[in-house]
Amino acid sequence: KQEVTQIPAALSVPEGENLVLNCSFTDSAIYNLQWFRQDPGKGLTSLLLIQSSQREQTSGRLNASLDKSSGRSTLYIAASQPGDSATYLCAPRGSTSGTYKYIFGTGTRLKVLA
Amino acid sequence: DGGITQSPKYLFRKEGQNVTLSCEQNLNHDAMYWYRQDPGQGLRLIYYSQIVNDFQKGDIAEGYSVSREKKESFPLTVTSAQKNPTAFYLCASMFRPANTGELFFGEGSRLTVL
Repeated sequence: KQEVTQIPAALSVPEGENLVLNCSFTDSAIYNLQWFRQDPGKGLTSLLLIQSSQREQTSGRLNASLDKSSGRSTLYIAASQPGDSATYLCAPRGSTSGTYKYIFGTGTRLKVLA
Repeated sequence: DGGITQSPKYLFRKEGQNVTLSCEQNLNHDAMYWYRQDPGQGLRLIYYSQIVNDFQKGDIAEGYSVSREKKESFPLTVTSAQKNPTAFYLCASMFRPANTGELFFGEGSRLTVL
């Protein structure tokens, strides 16, 4: 059974710092992995989707890497801003008998101080 | 604008009552999902549907029911058999599960049992 761990659980940093959020998963047989952002009381917003054949994806100040064999993904946030404050969740996607499922971690709660 | 609409945003229920949460998407997505989110826990899958008129139980289906009569709609009923229904409920959709598989979410519905 896939288990997803995100470290750290919470992080508070001053504005401008570069950040690394970590995600580890126990079953490396995944199709892809998606990173999401969630603001308090809101739904999830898709940030980046990495296919299993890719090593990394970039969008603006965000860069996500994937090391499938070691069961790890990292989300790098460059030059953090107060507007980046949110919870970040990773979700690898696997397949069981033709059914595709995402399994979610509990997230890293990020606070960027002005 | 294309997207996923969940309603109501907030819902209060007395014990013993059934309630139905609405989820509508205009993205022409094939698959739709219902997740439950509780504080300190990852999202947990309740039900999912990969095509119209077909749906499967997720990891925590007890006390819930769904229907998928139209491609655009996937309502979730929380029945009186659900022992702890107070939670944040999220609906999601995906274009074609066998393809790239990017998951998109609605804004969520918060259910409180009084």
